[in-house]
Amino acid sequence: GQNIDQPTEMTATEGAIVQINCTYQTSGFNGLFWYQQHAGEAPTFLSYNVLDGLEEKGRFSSFLSRSKGYSYLLLKELQMKDSASYLCAPMDSNYQLIWGAGTKLIIKP
Amino acid sequence: GAVVSQHPSWVICKSGTSVKIECRSLDFQATTMFWYRQFPKQSLMLMATSNEGSKATYEQGVEKDKFLINHASLTLSTLTVTSAHPEDSSFYICSARVETSGDQETQYFGPGTRLLVL
Repeated sequence: GQNIDQPTEMTATEGAIVQINCTYQTSGFNGLFWYQQHAGEAPTFLSYNVLDGLEEKGRFSSFLSRSKGYSYLLLKELQMKDSASYLCAPMDSNYQLIWGAGTKLIIKP
Repeated sequence: GAVVSQHPSWVICKSGTSVKIECRSLDFQATTMFWYRQFPKQSLMLMATSNEGSKATYEQGVEKDKFLINHASLTLSTLTVTSAHPEDSSFYICSARVETSGDQETQYFGPGTRLLVL
């Protein structure tokens, strides 16, 4: 079957760094997406990895290891506005995104 | 990034009425759009895949006669909730698939439509 595993909730301090891990199992693989979703809003695109390695984009970086079925999202210099849910979504062989429940990130001052 | 709009953003209707939600890609053409539903504190659930010029592909458990999808053009897909009932109250979100050069692609989401059926 297809499965996503992320921590349910994480807490971090403003200005710090946090890493959100994601392991997945899918039928085929066409890349992995990270989305940010604030409460009551639609998800917004953060990153896309299709090859192994680290993709850096400003304060956010995403890493992928296809052989391990593993990805992480790294958020640096945390700001209060980063409090949101972070969704790891691999794309299967049919180009459909597989969604888990996401990780709720709480930023404290 | 690419922009996807949805209309309306909010709709309140009486039980038994039909509601149409529009999803538009504003600055690109989308041959494939997706419709999702999200209940409070739950993950996104894919309802159907909408392909321009052909019938939508519905996920298991989604009634195609109740949730009518029409992808009439490369920039517009519509979802019509027919004979809506209170249990259909949810957050409906569309996304459009964008393919760029090489292996790059992504999905951009609309802002969502919150439906409340009384």
